[in-house]
Amino acid sequence: AQSVTQPDIHITVSEGASLELRCNYSYGATPYLFWYVQSPGQGLQLLLKYFSGDTLVQGIKGFEAEFKRSQSSFNLRKPSVHWSDAAEYFCAVGAASGSARQLTFGSGTQLTVLP
Amino acid sequence: DGGITQSPKYLFRKEGQNVTLSCEQNLNHDAMYWYRQDPGQGLRLIYYSQIVNDFQKGDIAEGYSVSREKKESFPLTVTSAQKNPTAFYLCASSTQDRVGHGYTFGSGTRLTVV
Repeated sequence: AQSVTQPDIHITVSEGASLELRCNYSYGATPYLFWYVQSPGQGLQLLLKYFSGDTLVQGIKGFEAEFKRSQSSFNLRKPSVHWSDAAEYFCAVGAASGSARQLTFGSGTQLTVLP
Repeated sequence: DGGITQSPKYLFRKEGQNVTLSCEQNLNHDAMYWYRQDPGQGLRLIYYSQIVNDFQKGDIAEGYSVSREKKESFPLTVTSAQKNPTAFYLCASSTQDRVGHGYTFGSGTRLTVV
């Protein structure tokens, strides 16, 4: 079964600093990988996704993520964080075939941005 | 614009009551999902449906029921059998044959037992 681990429950960074949120997945084949962001009391918004090809993917709001098969990781990065980036971030993994239920989410990382 | 609408945004339930959360989408998506979100636990799948008139239990289906009579609609009923229903509930949808495009989420319903 596929699974996702986000080892950091809470991260605090200063505005303008760089950011990296960690995501490790477990899946037997090439997965689909996603990062979502959730503002308080809202639904989840897709930041970026990886299917195949270039392992460095660009997303919205200046975020990027790098797929590293050897490390089973899909870490999210941003070179300079803005106060509006404070939110909860979820990594998700999906199967490349079959059932529509095959999207598994991590437990999330809460990001606090200090002024 | 296409999207998913969840209503109401806030819902209060008395002990022993059943309540129904609405989820409507106009994206022409085949698959729809209900998730429960509690602090520190991420998203847990309650039910999902891949086609009309068919649905499957997720990981935490006990105390919940759903129906899928129309492609656009996937209401969730929280029954009195659900012992701890206070949570944030999210509905999502996706295309059936292209799960790699990810899910589209509604804005959620916060349910509180009073």
